[in-house]
Amino acid sequence: DTAVSQTPKYLVTQMGNDKSIKCEQNLGHDTMYWYKQDSKKFLKIMFSYNNKELIINETVPNRFSPKSPDKAHLNLHINSLELGDSAVYFCASSSPQTLAFFGQGTRLTVV
Amino acid sequence: GENVEQHPSTLSVQEGDSAVIKCTYSDSASNYFPWYKQELGKGPQLIIDIRSNVGEKKDQRIAVTLNKTAKHFSLHITETQPEDSAVYFCAARGMGASKIIFGSGTRLSIRP
Repeated sequence: DTAVSQTPKYLVTQMGNDKSIKCEQNLGHDTMYWYKQDSKKFLKIMFSYNNKELIINETVPNRFSPKSPDKAHLNLHINSLELGDSAVYFCASSSPQTLAFFGQGTRLTVV
Repeated sequence: GENVEQHPSTLSVQEGDSAVIKCTYSDSASNYFPWYKQELGKGPQLIIDIRSNVGEKKDQRIAVTLNKTAKHFSLHITETQPEDSAVYFCAARGMGASKIIFGSGTRLSIRP
C-alpha cells in the first residue's frame, strides 16, 4: 500500500489555467505538507497543515491555495498558472515523533 | 528563521571509496536531523536520522554524526556502490515543530 499518494504524476497545462493536485496519506499522521522542488533540486516548504488546520504558510503567491477536507488529505489548488510555477510538487506527511514520508511528486509544466 | 546549509552541491567518488556530505543549521532548538535520498523521478526517502541526544548513528554502510555545539551534522557513506548515486538532502526540525527545513541537496555520482 502506498503511504503517501499524489495525483496526477504529470501535469501539463497552459498559462492562465487553474489546476489542482491531490494528496492522500494512509499513515494516520496529523501533519501534511506541500513542498516545491525547482529545477536545481532545491526543496522548499510551501504549506503545512496539522489536523486540517493551516500552521505554516511560507511566502507563496496567493494563487496557491491548499485545502484539507480531513487530516488524511491535503490538496493544492493553483489559480492563473504562470511559467514560473513549473516544478515538481511533493506532498509529505509526518507526526511529531516520526520522519516525513514523501509522495512520488507531481511534475507540473506550464506552457 | 531556520536555515540549513549543505555542502558540497556535487560529489563524485570512485566506487568503493567513501563519501561525506556536510550540513550546518542555524536554529539551536533543532533536535531532529533526517537525511533523505532522492533517486531520479522519485520522491525523497529517509535513509537515516539522528536526534540531538545522540552524537553518532550507524546503519550498515551509512553513518551520521552530529556536533550540537558547532551545529554541524554529516552523512558518511562507506564502500560506495553504483546504486548510491542520487541526490542527498539533509534536514532539520525543531522540538515540537512541524516544519522540516531541507538543505540544498548534494548530487552524488559513483564512478565505476
